[in-house]
Amino acid sequence: AQSVAQPEDQVNVAEGNPLTVKCTYSVSGNPYLFWYVQYPNRGLQFLLKYITGDNLVKGSYGFEAEFNKSQTSFHLKKPSALVSDSALYFCAVRDDNAGNMLTFGGGTRLMVKP
Amino acid sequence: DVKVTQSSRYLVKRTGEKVFLECVQDMDHENMFWYRQDPGLGLRLIYFSYDVKMKEKGDIPEGYSVSREKKERFSLILESASTNQTSMYLCASSLANSHYEQYFGPGTRLTVT
Repeated sequence: AQSVAQPEDQVNVAEGNPLTVKCTYSVSGNPYLFWYVQYPNRGLQFLLKYITGDNLVKGSYGFEAEFNKSQTSFHLKKPSALVSDSALYFCAVRDDNAGNMLTFGGGTRLMVKP
Repeated sequence: DVKVTQSSRYLVKRTGEKVFLECVQDMDHENMFWYRQDPGLGLRLIYFSYDVKMKEKGDIPEGYSVSREKKERFSLILESASTNQTSMYLCASSLANSHYEQYFGPGTRLTVT
């Protein structure tokens, strides 16, 4: 079975500071990993994904994520946070042995203060 | 531009009513999904469909059914709505290959009273 954990319900960061949103996963095969963002009263928007290759993945809006196989983690990062980055962030995993179903984490609310 | 639309943004229904939630995608995607989103629980998969007239149960299918008569349209049906089905419902679609990302609609916030 596949699972994903986002250990922090909320992350607070000051504008201009670096931010990290944590995600760990568990799969039996190889993982496909995704980050999505949800702004208020909106659906989820795709940010970035790791399928294979380079462990550092770059995505939309200046976000990046690092795949760490030994720690089974896929943390989302941004060097300099913006107030407009405040939103709900979801990590998701798909086991390459498990077909097309994604499993989502519980979400982390990012609050960026001016 | 990629587009997934859902028939209603907000819906209020009474306990016991039959409820239809409609989703349409214009990207010719093979896969379509229905999730419900609840605070602290993230998104949980209700059903998905990988082709017309094909469906598979997700993690929480009880109390729900689905219909996919055309490739672009995927309907979620609450046979007899209950208050514990009050939630945000999100539809998504993707290409067939499992490494493709899913594209989401704006969501339907359903309240069952």
